[in-house]
Amino acid sequence: DGGITQSPKYLFRKEGQNVTLSCEQNLNHDAMYWYRQDPGQGLRLIYYSQIVNDFQKGDIAEGYSVSREKKESFPLTVTSAQKNPTAFYLCASSIFFSAEAFFGQGTRLTVV
Amino acid sequence: DAKTTQPTSMDCAEGRAANLPCNHSTISGNEYVYWYRQIHSQGPQYIIHGLKNNETNEMASLIITEDRKSSTLILPHATLRDTAVYYCIVRVRDSGGGADGLTFGKGTHLIIQP
Repeated sequence: DGGITQSPKYLFRKEGQNVTLSCEQNLNHDAMYWYRQDPGQGLRLIYYSQIVNDFQKGDIAEGYSVSREKKESFPLTVTSAQKNPTAFYLCASSIFFSAEAFFGQGTRLTVV
Repeated sequence: DAKTTQPTSMDCAEGRAANLPCNHSTISGNEYVYWYRQIHSQGPQYIIHGLKNNETNEMASLIITEDRKSSTLILPHATLRDTAVYYCIVRVRDSGGGADGLTFGKGTHLIIQP
């Protein structure tokens, strides 16, 4: 089954710890994205990657880091520098950067 | 400045056509209109996109006005499972990479009433 997979669905971490969210796609898409969604709010772009080994900051990149070493994978690390890390995180991919994007089911991160 | 304007919420009776409007009066000639939806606590789902011609797929129809300043997404026979937030986005579609990041606004909360 082709698609985009985020894991885990729910994640709990203690304050001050870094945490890495996984995103894998087997759609052979060049572009991948990370978004954050807070309750009752729209999606905000954290980072995006147009092609392997390249990535760009989105609107709210502070406190986050990414890597794109493989086409299929675009992990997001939420660092201790992120002031309000508790949120719903969504990963997406598209065949090229501005094509229609397909989203994973999200990871709900709670930092206590 | 937002590129699109959508109503905050809309109701539609189950079985009827749901017509969701979107204004994009500053759309550029090379920008497409995209529609996505997000059902509660799930990732957004791509629905349809178009440039100037009307488009139809198995999920919906997209009607774009001749001047391209507005469009309407039509769900022909709405069901309770169509209750979601619907996002209208305008964006360049360029395989050469000449586009901004995909930006979501607040969208329209469509509620299908039984």
